[in-house]
Amino acid sequence: DAGVIQSPRHEVTEMGQEVTLRCKPISGHNSLFWYRQTMMRGLELLIYFNNNVPIDDSGMPEDRFSAKMPNASFSTLKIQPSEPRDSAVYFCASTIRGSSYEQYFGPGTRLTVT
Amino acid sequence: EDKVVQSPLSLVVHEGDTVTLNCSYEVTNFRSLLWYKQEKKAPTFLFMLTSSGIEKKSGRLSSILDKKELFSILNITATQTGDSAIYLCAVCNNAGNMLTFGGGTRLMVKP
Repeated sequence: DAGVIQSPRHEVTEMGQEVTLRCKPISGHNSLFWYRQTMMRGLELLIYFNNNVPIDDSGMPEDRFSAKMPNASFSTLKIQPSEPRDSAVYFCASTIRGSSYEQYFGPGTRLTVT
Repeated sequence: EDKVVQSPLSLVVHEGDTVTLNCSYEVTNFRSLLWYKQEKKAPTFLFMLTSSGIEKKSGRLSSILDKKELFSILNITATQTGDSAIYLCAVCNNAGNMLTFGGGTRLMVKP
């Protein structure tokens, strides 16, 4: 298995632009998580899905952030409009709900907003 | 709100030393505690602990959980430069399979 796939790996954009991050979970995994990691705040859960349904989005910082999971093999995290404080590494992780809860992380997308 | 605190924040040792990393937690309806290693990129899974007093071991790494005192330790013996990484501790509650992560311990092993 290729593991969790994220794209792009790096994104540099200007403040105010829309940014879309993509994730393909491991085949057969039915839970998907979006995290943000910064030096100041560490690894924070933004939102997670079970069976494509958003379960908890309390970690989404504000309305500029939105996430979708239209099917079991694809999810997006969108920031519109982006701001410099959104600069971080965004990780996607997946697991099998009801199993050991070990989450498998993708390689991350390093976002820089100038 | 679930909370995880790791100590020390950072640690510098020399190859061959033994290190102990600490993780304390507060969680409603505890289910499991997990340790991850993060080198340059994504966190990779090390251990999952659900029961007190049972040591999990993988090579030079071992971990144990104390559910009464609400903490876990991760031991690394005979450290190597390849052990240099951020070590993350996370807890999972019974409400779902969300993980709450601690801030991590940054370990540097010098030759």
